[in-house]
Amino acid sequence: DAMVIQNPRYQVTQFGKPVTLSCSQTLNHNVMYWYQQKSSQAPKLLFHYYDKDFNNEADTPDNFQSRRPNTSFCFLDIRSPGLGDAAMYLCATSRDEGAYEQYFGPGTRLTVT
Amino acid sequence: QQQVKQSPQSLIVQKGGISIINCAYENTAFDYFPWYQQFPGKGPALLIAIRPDVSEKKEGRFTISFNKSAKQFSLHIMDSQPGDSATYFCAASKASNTGKLIFGQGTTLQVKP
Repeated sequence: DAMVIQNPRYQVTQFGKPVTLSCSQTLNHNVMYWYQQKSSQAPKLLFHYYDKDFNNEADTPDNFQSRRPNTSFCFLDIRSPGLGDAAMYLCATSRDEGAYEQYFGPGTRLTVT
Repeated sequence: QQQVKQSPQSLIVQKGGISIINCAYENTAFDYFPWYQQFPGKGPALLIAIRPDVSEKKEGRFTISFNKSAKQFSLHIMDSQPGDSATYFCAASKASNTGKLIFGQGTTLQVKP
């Protein structure tokens, strides 16, 4: 089945220790998104890639970076995690930009100690 | 003008009853309105979506009603089941944008047996 895969599902990191979350997709979609979702809140878009073009949301902290080495994979790097970065991180894909369906992965739960 | 307002925040329905969740938006440029279902610890799953050229869309027990003049849309879950207990998010986006979903605040639905 075509799908969006996120690894790891659970990640524990120490305050200030860099961490990388990964996302892969078998849908061959052009667009990949990263969202942050805190408890009892809606997902909040951090940034997205349209093919190789990176689009950052204006309010995304510099602490968050992303890489997309190829169509299938996308990474979220948190350079110096703070306690406030503990959240569920969701990857999503879409066939194209614009008003198209987005398909979410299962998420990575990040804990910062 | 970018907000999507969702109500109620929480909802308790008896098994077999109808669950109704409402959303309102301001930006008339929105042209895609999806609903997502999210179970605890999982990523959101696309449930059903509508575009403003139709007033209603039905898929199984799930129906979206769309009122363009009132700038409102709602999700109806017929014959609600305990397995429907989840958090539901409405969202909106516009084709001229990057596909960014503007989410409502979410509704936690509990269906009692």
